[in-house]
Amino acid sequence: KAGVTQTPRYLIKTRGQQVTLSCSPISGHRSVSWYQQTPGQGLQFLFEYFSETQRNKGNFPGRFSGRQFSNSRSEMNVSTLELGDSALYLCASSLDSPNEKLFFGSGTQLSVL
Amino acid sequence: GESVGLHLPTLSVQEGDNSIINCAYSNSASDYFIWYKQESGKGPQFIIDIRSNMDKRQGQRVTVLLNKTVKHLSLQIAATQPGDSAVYFCAEKTKRRSGGYNKLIFGAGTRLAVHP
Repeated sequence: KAGVTQTPRYLIKTRGQQVTLSCSPISGHRSVSWYQQTPGQGLQFLFEYFSETQRNKGNFPGRFSGRQFSNSRSEMNVSTLELGDSALYLCASSLDSPNEKLFFGSGTQLSVL
Repeated sequence: GESVGLHLPTLSVQEGDNSIINCAYSNSASDYFIWYKQESGKGPQFIIDIRSNMDKRQGQRVTVLLNKTVKHLSLQIAATQPGDSAVYFCAEKTKRRSGGYNKLIFGAGTRLAVHP
C-alpha cells in the first residue's frame, strides 16, 4: 500500500508569489490534515479536511487555504508569500475512526526568498 | 492555549542503554496520546499510542506510560540503537462533544542522539 505522497518535494519562491502544494493520502483514508513545521515553532496545525469539507482549522491567516477533492486528494495554497512562510509543510492522512493515527508524508520544503 | 510540551530538548544515550523521553500536557480533557519519531528528511512516523483509560502500553522495544494525575507522558525505548536517533514528538487529542476528535497537537520535540 502506497504511503502519503506529497509533491513537489522542494520549492523555492519569492515574496509576494503564491504556491500550491499537493497531497495524495493513503488509499481509503478520507481525512487529510496539513501541518507547518519550522525549527522555532515546531509542528503547527493548519487545517483538516474530510469528505471535501474543512473540519478543523488552526490559527493561521487567511493567506493559507486548502481544499479536498472527491478522491480525497488535497491541495493547500499560500498566497502573497512572506519570508516567514519558509517551512516544511507536512500532509497527513487517517481513517476517520476514534483511534486516528495520522500517517505523514515526507513533506514539501518551501523556501521563500 | 492548550499545549503539549517536553521536559528535555535533547537526550544523549549510549548504544544499548534504555532511553526515556518525557512529555507534559496541559489539557486535562485530552484522552488520546501518540508518540511520533521523525528522522532527518522524513515526515513523522507513528510509534505507539495510548488512550486515557490505560496507564501503560507496550510495543516492540517501546513502552508508553501515562500518568493522568500529573498530566505526564513518557516513552521508554529499550536497548537503544543508532537507528533510534531522531526527534521524538508527543501529541495529544481531545474528544469533541459532538463526537470524533479535535486536531492533533504536537509537543516541541526531543532529539535523541545514540552514541556507539
